[in-house]
Amino acid sequence: DAGVIQSPRHEVTEMGQEVTLRCKLISGHNSLFWYRQTMMRGLELLIYFNNNVPIDDSGMPEDRFSAKMPNASFSTLKIQPSEPRDSAVYFCASSLWRQQGNTEAFFGQGTRLTVV
Amino acid sequence: AQTVTQSQPEMSVQEAETVTLSCTYDTSENNYYLFWYKQPPSRQMILVIRQEAYKQQNATENRFSVNFQKAAKSFSLKISDSQLGDTAMYFCAFMKGDMRFGAGTRLTVKP
Repeated sequence: DAGVIQSPRHEVTEMGQEVTLRCKLISGHNSLFWYRQTMMRGLELLIYFNNNVPIDDSGMPEDRFSAKMPNASFSTLKIQPSEPRDSAVYFCASSLWRQQGNTEAFFGQGTRLTVV
Repeated sequence: AQTVTQSQPEMSVQEAETVTLSCTYDTSENNYYLFWYKQPPSRQMILVIRQEAYKQQNATENRFSVNFQKAAKSFSLKISDSQLGDTAMYFCAFMKGDMRFGAGTRLTVKP
């Protein structure tokens, strides 16, 4: 398996533009996490899904952020409109969720987003 | 929500020596998982070791081991025979449904 795949690796965009980050889960995994990493705030959990259903989106900072899982193996995180303070590294991670709990989470390589 | 605290922002160790990174957490749950992740300058998040809360035995992975004290809600990471390649940020994580991270400890291994 190729692991968790994120695209793009780097994104530079102008303030006000729409940004879409993409994530492909490890085959067979059914739990998906989106994180944002900054120097000031560390690793923040934005949202997580189990079996394509959003379980907790309380970490999504504003209505400008939205996340979806159109199918079991793929997710998008969209920012519209983007602002300079959204500049960060965005990670997705997948794991196998079972009734007794999750296995460890495996991370993608992250997307470094710069909004100018 | 559970909180994870890493009280050591930075640490350093001489090559071949042993270092211990601290982590405490707050939860009312009885069953959960704990992890240590390593993030080198490449920014890739790499799983180092995991511990199930229902297991009393401390997890070990080669040079990495943990001291899990459930009652004290403490989960420290010991790195033996430190190597230059161990230089990285180390994050402690708590998982029960979601997964929360501490602020991280920047470890530098000196030659």
